[in-house]
Amino acid sequence: DTAVSQTPKYLVTQMGNDKSIKCEQNLGHDTMYWYKQDSKKFLKIMFSYNNKELIINETVPNRFSPKSPDKAHLNLHINSLELGDSAVYFCASSQVGGYNSPLHFGNGTRLTVT
Amino acid sequence: AQTVTQSQPEMSVQEAETVTLSCTYDTSESDYYLFWYKQPPSRQMILVIRQEAYKQQNATENRFSVNFQKAAKSFSLKISDSQLGDAAMYFCAYRSANFGNEKLTFGTGTRLTIIP
Repeated sequence: DTAVSQTPKYLVTQMGNDKSIKCEQNLGHDTMYWYKQDSKKFLKIMFSYNNKELIINETVPNRFSPKSPDKAHLNLHINSLELGDSAVYFCASSQVGGYNSPLHFGNGTRLTVT
Repeated sequence: AQTVTQSQPEMSVQEAETVTLSCTYDTSESDYYLFWYKQPPSRQMILVIRQEAYKQQNATENRFSVNFQKAAKSFSLKISDSQLGDAAMYFCAYRSANFGNEKLTFGTGTRLTIIP
């Protein structure tokens, strides 16, 4: 009965490769997010989708492309991976409305680029 | 843009004692939400407590309570009767009430150690 699930949990790859991280939520939420947590534990928003529409796109390199086939799924594809992309990536979901719907996070994907 | 500041990178407390984690934020909005999330070594992000800006009453959840001072833009977390399981990174977060800007903006976190 996992609420927000991400796969894979760990991803080790070489520079220059292309990889994807998948996220699914079964909470019926209409908004999904990708956050990046760097080595100093700082969490920063990357993207947000509401009902499959992109509503937040922070200053993220074009190599990162989110895709939302439906409101329960938000995948993250990364092209030409670089060493600086190594981080933990969190998917999250919520319902529009703030207080009564805080963000629910997946368990994160630790990406290591060598 | 909103910013969230946690000025204590690390804190420690004796088991069963009380500890307060500080958080300040900057915003020009009048309606927003504030949260405290906990991240144990398992790296899960767990919601601890939340507060609506228009509510003057401070939120409480069992051993966790907040001191919300809207004018001072301060939102501290008090943990009473600290337990070993409280050891984690604690993040303060701000969320706008405006549609289209409902992302969470996080502080840099406070690492809490519980001393047995």
